[in-house]
Amino acid sequence: GAVVSQHPSWVICKSGTSVKIECRSLDFQATTMFWYRQFPKQSLMLMATSNEGSKATYEQGVEKDKFLINHASLTLSTLTVTSAHPEDSSFYICSATTGRSTNIQYFGAGTRLSVL
Amino acid sequence: QKEVEQDPGPLSVPEGAIVSLNCTYSNSAFQYFMWYRQYSRKGPELLMYTYSSGNKEDGRFTAQVDKSSKYISLFIRDSQPSDSATYLCAMSAPNTDKLIFGTGTRLQVFP
Repeated sequence: GAVVSQHPSWVICKSGTSVKIECRSLDFQATTMFWYRQFPKQSLMLMATSNEGSKATYEQGVEKDKFLINHASLTLSTLTVTSAHPEDSSFYICSATTGRSTNIQYFGAGTRLSVL
Repeated sequence: QKEVEQDPGPLSVPEGAIVSLNCTYSNSAFQYFMWYRQYSRKGPELLMYTYSSGNKEDGRFTAQVDKSSKYISLFIRDSQPSDSATYLCAMSAPNTDKLIFGTGTRLQVFP
């Protein structure tokens, strides 16, 4: 159980375009989802916390207008990188909690974004 | 000082060895402790979860939490080349759903 699906796994786009990444909890309802960014050989950096039906909470230094998060249902959250630039190239990973007060996060497989 | 300290490695061991991975932390409020395994270009996969202090065993993996020393460990017995990955410790306090991660330890198990 507790499977999180993330799509796409790899996306290449031109500078200035927008890219949407989807994160779905397949076998549970995720009250809270998280979006992380990971640079090569570094740990995960939390970008934002998203609760179903409310605005996402962004970490300090993360541009809200650049990284748009929508948590439209208990099983789906999306991250849109708007007007992407080469410096946005990174590995983006989502996670979700089951809401059982264990604080365990289940992660998607990640999305590699390459902006040309 | 970081809230969670973890040696980045790399740690290179022969197949069959016992591996010990460790993290130290400074926040005494942490109650939930996790170990994740991350293969290259993949998302982290939950290996072990422990609430508060104590030991937990699952197959070849044993997780230990020593809250008095603010120290957690993951032991891997009979290590296999397929165990080669980065191991991340993560922990959190009650009343928050954020996880604080260690930097990850790269483990390489050679045949």
